[in-house]
Amino acid sequence: NAGVTQTPKFQVLKTGQSMTLQCAQDMNHNSMYWYRQDPGMGLRLIYYSASEGTTDKGEVPNGYNVSRLNKREFSLRLESAAPSQTSVYFCASSGRSQNEKLFFGSGTQLSVL
Amino acid sequence: AQSVTQPDIHITVSEGASLELRCNYSYGATPYLFWYVQSPGQGLQLLLKYFSGDTLVQGIKGFEAEFKRSQSSFNLRKPSVHWSDAAEYFCAVGSYNTDKLIFGTGTRLQVFP
Repeated sequence: NAGVTQTPKFQVLKTGQSMTLQCAQDMNHNSMYWYRQDPGMGLRLIYYSASEGTTDKGEVPNGYNVSRLNKREFSLRLESAAPSQTSVYFCASSGRSQNEKLFFGSGTQLSVL
Repeated sequence: AQSVTQPDIHITVSEGASLELRCNYSYGATPYLFWYVQSPGQGLQLLLKYFSGDTLVQGIKGFEAEFKRSQSSFNLRKPSVHWSDAAEYFCAVGSYNTDKLIFGTGTRLQVFP
């Protein structure tokens, strides 16, 4: 059982470069989420998708875009990376909402120089 | 507005000792409360959750938590800690009428043999 798969695991970017973080789940979940984790700040929601075809902003959406490609896949794009986006990024999914059990990927460690 | 506080950034215990991790929340109504654990290099895993009913909640890996409305607390406990419990623990608070989940800043648990 793969669960939630994130790629890549590590990435180093230069300021201004772009990249896309990929996430896929095989649990037939409706809802998918992107979080960032910074030291001393816990997890903060960037964007979420309650169902295929819908996306909504979370707590810290600036500088990011998302695409819910289909029910399985939810990608996060940094169009012009900034050092403030250095973080660990987690994708998660659930049946319907964050109040259900969230299943997390293993994370992407991103450094922006 | 929802908020959650984990007062202890870092806790160290000896293997076999009991453990209590503190979590305090702020929310006007009855909250949904969660504890997640993050092992090094991994995503978060749900330990237990409280929605309603019995205020003592049993979770996986021998953990339990008690909801105390009068103290706005949801502390996590384990009677005897194992070395494999070394990880970071996150408390989170949600609400029944919104898909909004707020994570605490985490408590890192170190276990000495």
